[in-house]
Amino acid sequence: GDQVEQSPSALSLHEGTGSALRCNFTTTMRAVQWFRKNSRGSLINLFYLASGTKENGRLKSAFDSKERYSTLHIRDAQLEDSGTYFCAAEAGGGSGNKLIFGTGTLLSVKP
Amino acid sequence: EAAVTQSPRSKVAVTGGKVTLSCHQTNNHDYMYWYRQDTGHGLRLIHYSYVADSTEKGDIPDGYKASRPSQENFSLILELASLSQTAVYFCASSTGLGVYEQYFGPGTRLTVL
Repeated sequence: GDQVEQSPSALSLHEGTGSALRCNFTTTMRAVQWFRKNSRGSLINLFYLASGTKENGRLKSAFDSKERYSTLHIRDAQLEDSGTYFCAAEAGGGSGNKLIFGTGTLLSVKP
Repeated sequence: EAAVTQSPRSKVAVTGGKVTLSCHQTNNHDYMYWYRQDTGHGLRLIHYSYVADSTEKGDIPDGYKASRPSQENFSLILELASLSQTAVYFCASSTGLGVYEQYFGPGTRLTVL
């Protein structure tokens, strides 16, 4: 079935540094969403992309449907960025725009 | 104001008991979804609905029922709760037409003992 492969599973950053998370898709996806699960367990919408790139503050995301991947770049990481990040892809077609989630990336930002 | 709310936020249930999780959205969205998340895994779709009085099975529907009595409300029902259903449950809504972004509720932590 359709799958979303997210990497890395865990990431440790020092404050002020940056890195990228990546999701690869086994099939063509119509759109992708990125979420952060905060310390209270709530899912926070970060980005929704049907194509191209979006930027919001220190976060930037890209989605390439043809190449079957999406990335989330974090720059100048802060302590409050810690949490679990999920990508979720929308397969479209007859799936009722169901989201297929990656397994998450646990980000720890340290002083 | 939060557009997707869930109740309760946490619950402890006994094995074999009935559990009902409720979701309410004020987005005027047609589509609503129930997901579960287990530690170390992404969210998995249990049931969804695109219109009131109708529900559809998701990827892992066994052991769950759903009810959509109105556009705003979508419930997840565990008739006979089991230990394996301990998880965090998320509700979401979307328009389902044109713009597909899903908006999530805060989650319900369910512990079955």
